[in-house]
Amino acid sequence: NAGVTQTPKFQVLKTGQSMTLQCAQDMNHEYMSWYRQDPGMGLRLIHYSVGAGITDQGEVPNGYNVSRSTTEDFPLRLLSAAPSQTSVYFCASSPAGVSVEQYFGPGTRLTVT
Amino acid sequence: SQQGEEDPQALSIQEGENATMNCSYKTSINNLQWYRQNSGRGLVHLILIRSNEREKHSGRLRVTLDTSKKSSSLLITASRAADTASYFCAAPEGTSGSRLTFGEGTQLTVNP
Repeated sequence: NAGVTQTPKFQVLKTGQSMTLQCAQDMNHEYMSWYRQDPGMGLRLIHYSVGAGITDQGEVPNGYNVSRSTTEDFPLRLLSAAPSQTSVYFCASSPAGVSVEQYFGPGTRLTVT
Repeated sequence: SQQGEEDPQALSIQEGENATMNCSYKTSINNLQWYRQNSGRGLVHLILIRSNEREKHSGRLRVTLDTSKKSSSLLITASRAADTASYFCAAPEGTSGSRLTFGEGTQLTVNP
């Protein structure tokens, strides 16, 4: 199993541009989530999904959209990038919500200029 | 708001010493999780302790949970330079929520 994969690894955007961060898992996990991590800080939840077709907001959802059309994929869309969205983005998945361990991807480092 | 808060923010020790990190949380939980993050990498799960457990071991790791004080601790015994990393606790929001919130972490440095 590849586990949780994220693409791209690095991305530089200009203010106002849009892009999609990709996340995929091959473990048939129902629960997937997106976090952002700012320098020297913990992770903050952006959006999560408890299964295909179901998504919900986390702590910091503004400026981001998600969809979950398949169990495997959970893309994160930045609608109009802002410098405040410069961060490292992590995707995670688990077979049973937050009652069990989360499996994290390697992250996408995004810089918005 | 952060469900988990770690203490201390940074810890520097010598190889062979023990390292203890503490985590406090705000609301009742059904489990608490500890993760490690090496510099520039993703998070790796270490231990999950459930609310009906008081202590759990995994190799050189020992986690305790005190639900009356809403606190947990992670002890790494006989530390090695390779243990240098950031350590995070994470707790679900409530006992039936679907959100996991992380503390800001403890940066552990183990000097050879």
